Amino acid sequence: AQSVTQPDIHITVSEGASLELRCNYSYGATPYLFWYVQSPGQGLQLLLKYFSGDTLVQGIKGFEAEFKRSQSSFNLRKPSVHWSDAAEYFCAVRGFQKLVFGTGTRLLVSP
Amino acid sequence: GAVVSQHPSWVICKSGTSVKIECRSLDFQATTMFWYRQFPKQSLMLMATSNEGSKATYEQGVEKDKFLINHASLTLSTLTVTSAHPEDSSFYICSAGGEGDQPQHFGDGTRLSIL
Repeated sequence: AQSVTQPDIHITVSEGASLELRCNYSYGATPYLFWYVQSPGQGLQLLLKYFSGDTLVQGIKGFEAEFKRSQSSFNLRKPSVHWSDAAEYFCAVRGFQKLVFGTGTRLLVSP
Repeated sequence: GAVVSQHPSWVICKSGTSVKIECRSLDFQATTMFWYRQFPKQSLMLMATSNEGSKATYEQGVEKDKFLINHASLTLSTLTVTSAHPEDSSFYICSAGGEGDQPQHFGDGTRLSIL
């Protein structure tokens, strides 16, 4: 069965600093991978997705993620964090149409 | 981009009543929709997969008679929490899509509080 691990429960980054959120997945075939962001009390917004092709994926709001099959990872990055990026971030893998989510990483942005 | 509308966004009701939550795909047709439950500071837990014109598929441990799902059209799925009790209080989120190379798109969620 597929699974997703987000090892960091929360991360604090200074505004303007770079960000990397870790995601490791377990899936037998070529995975469909996603990063979603959730602001408090709201639904999830898709940041980016990987299905195939170029392993470096560009998303919205300046985010990117790199798929590394050898490491079973799909880490999310942003070169310069803005205060509005503070939110909960979920990595997910799709198997048989269902999404399996990681436990999420809460991003805090300090002034 | 694709939009999924969920209504109501917040509902408070007395114990024992039934509550219906609607999920609509506004600009695309969705043969499949999904219902999730999210506890505070936790991840999303898939409750059931809603299939247009057929019965929903429930995840293990989810009470079918408690959480009634209807997917009568390609743009609307409803979740009814029957005889709701305080332990049913939670954040419920629906999504639609996710077929082929399309991602799932999520509604804004419904905060359900049972008194």
